[in-house]
Amino acid sequence: GQNIDQPTEMTATEGAIVQINCTYQTSGFNGLFWYQQHAGEAPTFLSYNVLDGLEEKGRFSSFLSRSKGYSYLLLKELQMKDSASYLCAVRDDPDNYGQNFVFGPGTRLSVLP
Amino acid sequence: DTAVSQTPKYLVTQMGNDKSIKCEQNLGHDTMYWYKQDSKKFLKIMFSYNNKELIINETVPNRFSPKSPDKAHLNLHINSLELGDSAVYFCASSQAPGGEYEQFFGPGTRLTVL
Repeated sequence: GQNIDQPTEMTATEGAIVQINCTYQTSGFNGLFWYQQHAGEAPTFLSYNVLDGLEEKGRFSSFLSRSKGYSYLLLKELQMKDSASYLCAVRDDPDNYGQNFVFGPGTRLSVLP
Repeated sequence: DTAVSQTPKYLVTQMGNDKSIKCEQNLGHDTMYWYKQDSKKFLKIMFSYNNKELIINETVPNRFSPKSPDKAHLNLHINSLELGDSAVYFCASSQAPGGEYEQFFGPGTRLTVL
């Protein structure tokens, strides 16, 4: 089966660092994406990992360990505008062209002043 | 200059009706998708189209049918609407079906079935 787990909610303080974990069990693996979704809005792309290791993009970094089926999103220097849901998505690779995306339930992050 | 647009933004209708949601992307992307996000915020892929050919057809009821008149458009038709169809429907597109190409999402259509 396909299963992606993330913590439901997290709270952090402005200026702090927060790590949002994602574990996955999918029939195949062809890349992992992180998206940000503010309430009432569309998801927007944050990062992509396909090889093990850390990808850094400004205040956001994402890590992947394929052998452990694990990823995390690291947000530094938190700002109030970072309050949003963060969605982990895996592109599994069944017998088609590999663009079947499975999204996790999302982690709702609240940044407090 | 909207990249992915959907109409309507809100749709309120009665059970049993037939409705359509339109989606257009001006990014020149080859692949388009439809997602359903339910009240628990789970985002589930429904369909994807690559160069007008259906690639994925998840286990959605056949009351739902995607129609793509050209590469820039992917419309969603829903027949005999049911209460459980109430959700936010997102259209998305990506430059290609594989690789590192992320998906760009439209603003969503909130469907309420009464």
